[in-house]
Amino acid sequence: AQTVTQSQPEMSVQEAETVTLSCTYDTSESNYYLFWYKQPPSRQMILVIRQEAYKQQNATENRFSVNFQKAAKSFSLKISDSQLGDTAMYFCAFMMTGGATNKLIFGTGTLLAVQP
Amino acid sequence: DTGVSQDPRHKITKRGQNVTFRCDPISEHNRLYWYRQTLGQGPEFLTYFQNEAQLEKSRLLSDRFSAERPKGSFSTLEIQRTEQGDSAMYLCASSLGRGERETQYFGPGTRLLVL
Repeated sequence: AQTVTQSQPEMSVQEAETVTLSCTYDTSESNYYLFWYKQPPSRQMILVIRQEAYKQQNATENRFSVNFQKAAKSFSLKISDSQLGDTAMYFCAFMMTGGATNKLIFGTGTLLAVQP
Repeated sequence: DTGVSQDPRHKITKRGQNVTFRCDPISEHNRLYWYRQTLGQGPEFLTYFQNEAQLEKSRLLSDRFSAERPKGSFSTLEIQRTEQGDSAMYLCASSLGRGERETQYFGPGTRLLVL
């Protein structure tokens, strides 16, 4: 069974600075996707970034980038130039491809607070 | 594209009552997922529909839970004889298909409190 671990329950960063959120996962599969979702307080979950396991190049989306280390089964999220609106719970998620359902398996989340 | 919608957003019920939640996916999405999220935890998969067919149910989904997706459009999740342990946020997500289109888009959730 696949598992996703986020070892940082809470993190804090000053506005305009850079922060990295950690995620590790365990799987015996070779084809899968990894995601970071953001869940602001009392608001719905939105996709931040996705990474296909077969791609060696790390995904980037504006201020958000990932460090995908397939051999180490590590998938960290870097947020550059942090903004107050980045304050949220961040979830790392795994999806096995080629399966019947493509369900997401989530970590327990990291609560990020951006301080002014 | 109005996104995934869920109704109601909040529900308070007494133990033993039945409740039903509705999810309207993004219109062209043929895949629909239900997840449950308890405080301090990530969402956990409950069940999955491809069009109108329910293709997988988690063992978390006891026989008190039933989900439907008639005509492959909106979906309902019913909980019979609610228990306090059912208190959680129930999330619905939809997606278009495989590969790049498998990204799941989430609704705002229905927060259930069982007294």
